[in-house]
Amino acid sequence: DQQVKQNSPSLSVQEGRISILNCDYTNSMFDYFLWYKKYPAEGPTFLISISSIKDKNEDGRFTVFLNKSAKHLSLHIVPSQPGDSAVYFCAASASGSARQLTFGSGTQLTVLP
Amino acid sequence: DGGITQSPKYLFRKEGQNVTLSCEQNLNHDAMYWYRQDPGQGLRLIYYSQIVNDFQKGDIAEGYSVSREKKESFPLTVTSAQKNPTAFYLCASRVSGQVAMNTEAFFGQGTRLTVV
Repeated sequence: DQQVKQNSPSLSVQEGRISILNCDYTNSMFDYFLWYKKYPAEGPTFLISISSIKDKNEDGRFTVFLNKSAKHLSLHIVPSQPGDSAVYFCAASASGSARQLTFGSGTQLTVLP
Repeated sequence: DGGITQSPKYLFRKEGQNVTLSCEQNLNHDAMYWYRQDPGQGLRLIYYSQIVNDFQKGDIAEGYSVSREKKESFPLTVTSAQKNPTAFYLCASRVSGQVAMNTEAFFGQGTRLTVV
């Protein structure tokens, strides 16, 4: 039973355009959401997060949107750069659950020059 | 430089052998986690520990064991009971307690385990 789902295994975008990565969750107890970026054979690195009390968080080229009623979040990257090519994981955690992160299956983003 | 270190980066194991993966952090984090990544899948939680001398099973704990004798260290043993041990293993740490309500986990660089 996947509690965090990333339904698109891959996404290709032209350099300079917007990349939109999507994530859905089923557990209504999740109240903190994160995006991680991962290169092959390396550990994930934290990108951006959002608390359930917000619906948007922005950091430079990266913006995360949260729609609690739809249990959906998305990561927007504008403008996309070739160095953004990586696997992006969505993760979620719930208060009182030892705060372990539940991860989606990831989306491979390829930014074409 | 604070960080989380996993060793070795690559590890080969013969079938039937136990092997231990090392994870050390100097971030002064109370909570530590072990995840496994398989191709096309997300990170699945094996074990986690919120405090020294205490740890809990995650979603896929069968065939694995851990210890947490020191705050800085959280080694993972892959036993011969683990049927499909070939995978990429990731260790993470995080601030715990109320402070951890909105904090990220930091990951090591991973260990690629291959059974030969």
